[in-house]
Amino acid sequence: QKEVEQNSGPLSVPEGAIASLNCTYSDRGSQSFFWYRQYSGKSPELIMFIYSNGDKEDGRFTAQLNKASQYVSLLIRDSQPSDSATYLCAVTPLDSNYQLIWGAGTKLIIKP
Amino acid sequence: NAGVMQNPRHLVRRRGQEARLRCSPMKGHSHVYWYRQLPEEGLKFMVYLQKENIIDESGMPKERFSAEFPKEGPSILRIQQVVRGDSAAYFCASSPDQFVEQFFGPGTRLTVL
Repeated sequence: QKEVEQNSGPLSVPEGAIASLNCTYSDRGSQSFFWYRQYSGKSPELIMFIYSNGDKEDGRFTAQLNKASQYVSLLIRDSQPSDSATYLCAVTPLDSNYQLIWGAGTKLIIKP
Repeated sequence: NAGVMQNPRHLVRRRGQEARLRCSPMKGHSHVYWYRQLPEEGLKFMVYLQKENIIDESGMPKERFSAEFPKEGPSILRIQQVVRGDSAAYFCASSPDQFVEQFFGPGTRLTVL
């Protein structure tokens, strides 16, 4: 059973601080890793994807991948109240290059 | 450039009725994916289609559910004889090719009374 695990939260972070969201996955052969943001009652919105070990930065967002530890994280610098949402981690398993296995999401709350 | 479009946005059906959910992918995208999301849960893959072909329907219940993506027109997810457990948000996503980066539509929220 391929699984993607996330802490459901809520994770509460003061405005301006760094928010750190974590995700672990069970399929060691997973190739692609995605972070989506979902506001309440809305559809998921792609924030970042990462394929290689290490860090990938895009504006205030940094994705970190460690395949040996089967761990992917998302850092949000200078957190804003508008960052308050549920963050979904999704992973493509080894035997598929299109099917996404999703975590249940971490609810992030940025306190003004 | 219009994004992925889904309609209706909200659909109410009584038990035993049929639900038809429509999805128009982004322009230039020929790959469509359907997902279901229950409250406070992650998305669950249902089916992956290309034009006129079902590529993978491993996540779709074998009974009552069907999907199509005709040569012309939107992709359709059909649920026959709906039951209360079918109440969920159904999201459609599209991509330009098989290698993900899927873009999501606004979803259809189905409520079965």
